[in-house]
Amino acid sequence: GAVVSQHPSWVICKSGTSVKIECRSLDFQATTMFWYRQFPKQSLMLMATSNEGSKATYEQGVEKDKFLINHASLTLSTLTVTSAHPEDSSFYICSARDGASGGGYEQYFGPGTRLTVT
Amino acid sequence: QKEVEQNSGPLSVPEGAIASLNCTYSDRGSQSFFWYRQYSGKSPELIMSIYSNGDKEDGRFTAQLNKASQYVSLLIRDSQPSDSATYLCAVWEAGTALIFGKGTTLSVSS
Repeated sequence: GAVVSQHPSWVICKSGTSVKIECRSLDFQATTMFWYRQFPKQSLMLMATSNEGSKATYEQGVEKDKFLINHASLTLSTLTVTSAHPEDSSFYICSARDGASGGGYEQYFGPGTRLTVT
Repeated sequence: QKEVEQNSGPLSVPEGAIASLNCTYSDRGSQSFFWYRQYSGKSPELIMSIYSNGDKEDGRFTAQLNKASQYVSLLIRDSQPSDSATYLCAVWEAGTALIFGKGTTLSVSS
């Protein structure tokens, strides 16, 4: 099956610093990748959609200058949380869509990155 | 506003029973339908996809789709304690991101 990796799996950083999270599709090319955030016992929240080689589309209420997304290749997208604050502490999960999955556009999730800002 | 509705549960079933999870969606233009399983503290895992009306079986899992009723369901036969998780229904339409329901928590007791 399609595999999406994410690195790091967890990170602790000090308030005011920046953190970069990498998302890779390992065995398929992902023209579209998605970034989600999930707080404890809450639903997945889509933050942004990124297409390879173009600017990300952010959901309403998500600060694009704070959450920088780069989709440099068909297998790699990065999310940088800039000037992190404790309220940014959350579980960040990337997802990649396999456009070749028989027309169904199945979407696979990475294992997630747990960010704690102190 | 496109919506995907699920009963939050918890749905409790004994080991060996059939668990039935239901989902309705609002947009008739929806084309693809997915079920994800999410264990606590983990990311969602795709377990079933279905694109046309009828049933699709994969091992102990059966997905059922009725586009006229805008309804999709997931049946888990011979439920095991390891099936205890939150099950997310997701719906896709061309040009959009997946729309997720809030999930149904399933608890299988041994």
